[in-house]
Amino acid sequence: AQTVTQSQPEMSVQEAETVTLSCTYDTSENNYYLFWYKQPPSRQMILVIRQEAYKQQNATENRFSVNFQKAAKSFSLKISDSQLGDTAMYFCAFMKGNAGNNRKLIWGLGTSLAVNP
Amino acid sequence: DAGVTQSPTHLIKTRGQQVTLRCSPKSGHDTVSWYQQALGQGPQFIFQYYEEEERQRGNFPDRFSGHQFPNYSSELNVNALLLGDSALYLCASSLMNSPLHFGNGTRLTVT
Repeated sequence: AQTVTQSQPEMSVQEAETVTLSCTYDTSENNYYLFWYKQPPSRQMILVIRQEAYKQQNATENRFSVNFQKAAKSFSLKISDSQLGDTAMYFCAFMKGNAGNNRKLIWGLGTSLAVNP
Repeated sequence: DAGVTQSPTHLIKTRGQQVTLRCSPKSGHDTVSWYQQALGQGPQFIFQYYEEEERQRGNFPDRFSGHQFPNYSSELNVNALLLGDSALYLCASSLMNSPLHFGNGTRLTVT
């Protein structure tokens, strides 16, 4: 069975600074996807970034980037130039690949990020 | 382009009652998944519907059932409600191999 672990329940960062959120996972699968989702107080889960396991290059989306270490089963999220609007819960999630239309995400417990002015 | 819409936003029920939650997927999406998110927890996968059939199911009892309609919208039904069913219920839609798009959820409180 797959598991996702986020070891930082809460983090804070000053506006304009950089912060890194940690995520580790356990799986015997070779083909899978990893995601970071953001959940602000509005409750909607918003996709931040996606990484395919078969891609060695780390994914980036504007101020958001990941450090994907497949052998170590580590998938951290770096937020550069933090903004007040980045304040939210951040969830790391895992999905098996090549399983038809598999849409089952396995989630970590989340990290609450506060960006301070 | 409307995203995923869920109704109602909030709901209060009594133990033993039944509840139906509704979800309209993002335009063009054909797959709907449901997740339960207890307070302070990550979401837990309930089930997934595609072509009007349940395709995958998480570790939830048979009290949780669902349906997908020809227009791809979906319902989640929970029978014999327990206090522990109190949670945020999230609906997500997608196409095959595309990222999931989530709605704002339905907050269910069981008293």
